[in-house]
Amino acid sequence: DTGVSQDPRHKITKRGQNVTFRCDPISEHNRLYWYRQTLGQGPEFLTYFQNEAQLEKSRLLSDRFSAERPKGSFSTLEIQRTEQGDSAMYLCASSLGDRPQETQYFGPGTRLLVL
Amino acid sequence: KNQVEQSPQSLIILEGKNCTLQCNYTVSPFSNLRWYKQDTGRGPVSLTIMTFSENTKSNGRYTATLDADTKQSSLHITASQLSDSASYICVVSTSGGSYIPTFGRGTSLIVHP
Repeated sequence: DTGVSQDPRHKITKRGQNVTFRCDPISEHNRLYWYRQTLGQGPEFLTYFQNEAQLEKSRLLSDRFSAERPKGSFSTLEIQRTEQGDSAMYLCASSLGDRPQETQYFGPGTRLLVL
Repeated sequence: KNQVEQSPQSLIILEGKNCTLQCNYTVSPFSNLRWYKQDTGRGPVSLTIMTFSENTKSNGRYTATLDADTKQSSLHITASQLSDSASYICVVSTSGGSYIPTFGRGTSLIVHP
């Protein structure tokens, strides 16, 4: 296993279109996290899963954002009716355990540009 | 409101020199503080993690300190190398309840030859 992978690495879309990003965590990692990072800022927490259960989603930016992890393995993040303000890097991370001090391993991110 | 403030925003140093980055936080209840290194276009990589009872943690040329009373942390880089050029992000996590980490904006470090 080579780490957390994300697909696609880059996405250009037109305003109003829907986009979906995929994250494959490290095998056997039961926690999976999604973050958004804009230029010059630190990552901003969006949501996380413990296996297939979404334990926190209050930080999703709007009801246009949704995430799933149906089988407790890979996860998808969908943005509906994209807006120019959604342009950012979307990062995924995974960790093995459920303690706050567990190390999160980040993927390379998906860079989204909304025209 | 939980906040993490980092300083300086950016820093330029010569190769071989030392530097110290600062992190102040107002996060409660505190669980742990972590420093990440993020290379341009890549995801962050964890450098150190400290819990409430830990004052110092080292990882090679990186040494982090934590003062839980004043809610301050620092990251000291010794004998800097060109590959240290990156953004360094301080992250504080809460204990109990739902997991929501608070990230700082990061310090952008440039090491010149």
